[in-house]
Amino acid sequence: EDQVTQSPEALRLQEGESSSLNCSYTVSGLRGLFWYRQDPGKGPEFLFTLYSAGEEKEKERLKATLTKKESFLHITAPKPEDSATYLCAVQVGGGYNKLIFGAGTRLAVHP
Amino acid sequence: NAGVTQTPKFQVLKTGQSMTLQCAQDMNHNSMYWYRQDPGMGLRLIYYSASEGTTDKGEVPNGYNVSRLNKREFSLRLESAAPSQTSVYFCASSEPGWDIQYFGAGTRLSVL
Repeated sequence: EDQVTQSPEALRLQEGESSSLNCSYTVSGLRGLFWYRQDPGKGPEFLFTLYSAGEEKEKERLKATLTKKESFLHITAPKPEDSATYLCAVQVGGGYNKLIFGAGTRLAVHP
Repeated sequence: NAGVTQTPKFQVLKTGQSMTLQCAQDMNHNSMYWYRQDPGMGLRLIYYSASEGTTDKGEVPNGYNVSRLNKREFSLRLESAAPSQTSVYFCASSEPGWDIQYFGAGTRLSVL
């Protein structure tokens, strides 16, 4: 069964304290891995797509990496505005754009 | 550009009542999706529409129906609401060949 697991469930950081979020997956026929950011009361907002092991993408303080079994979202010197829930989703083979989502990591960055 | 617009933002229903959640996108996307989000769980696909005129079941379709009214609009109907359908519902859209799904702000539904 296709499965996506994110860890930790929640993470509290001090401003400037770098860390990483993990997304591990067990799927057949991975086509791509997506990271989204979700602010309270809002819909998910696209951050990155990764398609092959070894690929990396960066945006401001965020960097996403991909291996054959997991992806990491590295947050360097976070600021309070980085506080949000970060969702990982994998796209699997099939007749449509099927995404399987993890439950997310709630990140709180304190001044 | 508004992107994906969902109405209403909040709704409270009594068990057995019916309602329709509305979704419209202005990005000229062919594909549209309905998800539900529950605490501690990932987003789960209810129904999707690959293109105008087609709809298909997702992971959790029971208790729901959908209508792809035209290319812009995709509605989700609860015929007889149940407390288990208390959730946050998200609509999304994407363009074939472009894998990114764009989401609306959600409808928060409580069924008492």
